[in-house]
Amino acid sequence: DTEVTQTPKHLVMGMTNKKSLKCEQHMGHRAMYWYKQKAKKPPELMFVYSYEKLSINESVPSRFSPECPNSSLLNLHLHALQPEDSALYLCASSQTAGGLYEQYFGPGTRLTVT
Amino acid sequence: GQNIDQPTEMTATEGAIVQINCTYQTSGFNGLFWYQQHAGEAPTFLSYNVLDGLEEKGRFSSFLSRSKGYSYLLLKELQMKDSASYLCAVPSSNTGKLIFGQGTTLQVKP
Repeated sequence: DTEVTQTPKHLVMGMTNKKSLKCEQHMGHRAMYWYKQKAKKPPELMFVYSYEKLSINESVPSRFSPECPNSSLLNLHLHALQPEDSALYLCASSQTAGGLYEQYFGPGTRLTVT
Repeated sequence: GQNIDQPTEMTATEGAIVQINCTYQTSGFNGLFWYQQHAGEAPTFLSYNVLDGLEEKGRFSSFLSRSKGYSYLLLKELQMKDSASYLCAVPSSNTGKLIFGQGTTLQVKP
């Protein structure tokens, strides 16, 4: 199983809402990532979890809050977002962090903030 | 710092061969990745080069020259489904995070 799953596929939320994005992998990977991608741009790293601990936070605003409940699951909690946060949010995993292993990406959650 | 350059757009004809170039500048080097991304979909891994030379995988090949800071992705016998964005990426030597180029959008025409 080389699949990373993400839910929901689409999400529309108002600026006062609280929502969560979910990501799951069963490949035994110990590194998991959140990326944000705007149209016609490459993925932009937000967070890296290595062995369930947050190892990289790319100065992401606190309205985005990651959580790694266990080695297979990764959540991204959203609160008080802005319209400019509308984007495709991608989850990825790799065998370990450190950049030497390919990352497997999930299909993404298309987020629209109204 | 690290910098990756690749052309923004390319157009090619079905059945032809196309080469997508990528130049990079890094303080250290831990290999280079190529990913394919169709519009609205997730990136998928194509290749990883860490040693100089050409690696072939079916219709796709990837080449690396570490001394020149240069890689290319070669697509043969182009098909319409190859229309996609192709992303070159290198791991940061300090943090290991992937640094992506801006991506090359390839359009394959009949």
